[in-house]
Amino acid sequence: EAGVAQSPRYKIIEKRQSVAFWCNPISGHATLYWYQQILGQGPKLLIQFQNNGVVDDSQLPKDRFSAERLKGVDSTLKIQPAKLEDSAVYLCASSLDPRGWGYEQYFGPGTRLTVT
Amino acid sequence: AQSVSQHNHHVILSEAASLELGCNYSYGGTVNLFWYVQYPGQHLQLLLKYFSGDPLVKGIKGFEAEFIKSKFSFNLRKPSVQWSDTAEYFCAVGGNNRLAFGKGNQVVVIP
Repeated sequence: EAGVAQSPRYKIIEKRQSVAFWCNPISGHATLYWYQQILGQGPKLLIQFQNNGVVDDSQLPKDRFSAERLKGVDSTLKIQPAKLEDSAVYLCASSLDPRGWGYEQYFGPGTRLTVT
Repeated sequence: AQSVSQHNHHVILSEAASLELGCNYSYGGTVNLFWYVQYPGQHLQLLLKYFSGDPLVKGIKGFEAEFIKSKFSFNLRKPSVQWSDTAEYFCAVGGNNRLAFGKGNQVVVIP
């Protein structure tokens, strides 16, 4: 079975620029997550989708971050404008069960963002 | 909201040594507990999980973890490590419809 795909793998931008990340979850997985992992810390949930609806976006900085899940499959995460503190690895994960967090989450390779 | 504490963020040990990584959590409700591992250059992957039942959980590659409710702990153990166990290990607590991760333990096994 194919895993969670993410692109790009690396991105370097200047502050105040915009950037977008793409995620394709495992086929048939209802729940999709975006996490932010800052160096030296564990992943922090930004947003959780169940099919194409948002379940939890309480930790998403909505003034600059946005995300959508197209037709309940692929998802994009956008940052506009980027700040230095947004430098991190952005992980996408998916889960088969609609209850999401309680079941195994499968992670993609991540996108390493550097904001200069 | 739940939180997770992992100590000794950097651990260096020799092959065949025993490994124990501590994990303490804070959450008032029923928890589900996980250990994830990230090998160099690879994705985060599930090592083991606890939902209910036997508090001693066995995972892949000889790892096990024990849930001690009274201590709010879910420590990870392996009796004899190998060089291939070099990785970053994350404890996570599921509750309130989300997973909360600890800061991780960077483990380096010296051949």
